[in-house]
Amino acid sequence: DTEVTQTPKHLVMGMTNKKSLKCEQHMGHRAMYWYKQKAKKPPELMFVYSYEKLSINESVPSRFSPECPNSSLLNLHLHALQPEDSALYLCASSQGQASSGANVLTFGAGSRLTVL
Amino acid sequence: AQSVAQPEDQVNVAEGNPLTVKCTYSVSGNPYLFWYVQYPNRGLQFLLKYITGDNLVKGSYGFEAEFNKSQTSFHLKKPSALVSDSALYFCAVRAHNLYGNNRLAFGKGNQVVVIP
Repeated sequence: DTEVTQTPKHLVMGMTNKKSLKCEQHMGHRAMYWYKQKAKKPPELMFVYSYEKLSINESVPSRFSPECPNSSLLNLHLHALQPEDSALYLCASSQGQASSGANVLTFGAGSRLTVL
Repeated sequence: AQSVAQPEDQVNVAEGNPLTVKCTYSVSGNPYLFWYVQYPNRGLQFLLKYITGDNLVKGSYGFEAEFNKSQTSFHLKKPSALVSDSALYFCAVRAHNLYGNNRLAFGKGNQVVVIP
């Protein structure tokens, strides 16, 4: 299995809702990432987990809450989002230490989030 | 700050013609450089990387890139473009955030349109 699977593919939520995005990989990768991408723009790093520990939080607002229950799963919990948070949320994984910066990232297809 | 620049917004090329997507970098020390491609409604896919060694790097789908230290460039090339190469291409470099953590810094992206 060489894929990163993200669910749901599409999500529409109101500003008062609580929802979660899920990401799963079975490649034995020990680093997992959340990125946010606006249309036709480069992805922006949000969080990095390395060996199931949060290693990077790029000053993301607390309405986004990541969770790494085990080495194969990564969640992004969403609460009280704003319309400007509407974007494609990409999960990625890589072998080895995320801190090297030399890792090849394997991306999922993304979850397209719309906040009304 | 460590960064990459992709000077063109869009590259139009006729099918069968050579394709070049430009990238220049600005780093202190030795650069770790990457190219990723994003097809519509998909996540990013890794094409190739340069860490050290031969300046000509061969990657997936017939793409290659040449690392040029004197010109601080890492242009992506393909000898004969296909319509299926139409996509968004991102150059990236290993960079540090404010806390010294390694992460990928992406260029703004180039839309490639291959005309049949």
